[in-house]
Amino acid sequence: EADIYQTPRYLVIGTGKKITLECSQTMGHDKMYWYQQDPGMELHLIHYSYGVNSTEKGDLSSESTVSRIRTEHFPLTLESARPSHTSQYLCASSPPGLNNSPLHFGNGTRLTVT
Amino acid sequence: DQQVKQNSPSLSVQEGRISILNCDYTNSMFDYFLWYKKYPAEGPTFLISISSIKDKNEDGRFTVFLNKSAKHLSLHIVPSQPGDSAVYFCAARLHTGTASKLTFGTGTRLQVTL
Repeated sequence: EADIYQTPRYLVIGTGKKITLECSQTMGHDKMYWYQQDPGMELHLIHYSYGVNSTEKGDLSSESTVSRIRTEHFPLTLESARPSHTSQYLCASSPPGLNNSPLHFGNGTRLTVT
Repeated sequence: DQQVKQNSPSLSVQEGRISILNCDYTNSMFDYFLWYKKYPAEGPTFLISISSIKDKNEDGRFTVFLNKSAKHLSLHIVPSQPGDSAVYFCAARLHTGTASKLTFGTGTRLQVTL
């Protein structure tokens, strides 16, 4: 069973605050991803990492940044939150290799910026 | 430009009957297709997948059909159960060099009624 954890589950924060969304996985997966989803919309890839010290921007432009200092940890940071950042953020991981293993998702963080 | 489309935002089916969820795509380079199921306040969970070299994959009550010439895939659930009520996302994979990315549809909310 996939073990990927996101904290916090819900976050309400004021404009201008710095926030970090945490994502950890215990499966030793080298690939990790951040998706953003608004209600009724598709999931958009905003960041991904194929290993330690490797990060790339996804298909949807995002003002957030990510880091990958450890295999199991892939936090996402917003330096100055704005109401336009209100969304659900989903972290996912997948095992090594060019294989057909599906992504395993965490339960997401629902962010509201007031 | 949305490359993966789920044109039905919602579907209601009676318990015991067949549920058919549809997905259309535009990029013929997609090589792998997946269906994810999402309950409220949870992350998507993998349901079933199909390679582009196949036209059918079956797993218990779930069958996915792929029609490459029509760029169309469908998920059949039979018999439908109340626990199947969730949002279903279709996803398609594209390899670009060393990267492998999933593109998601907007989802179809399935409600299975008693």
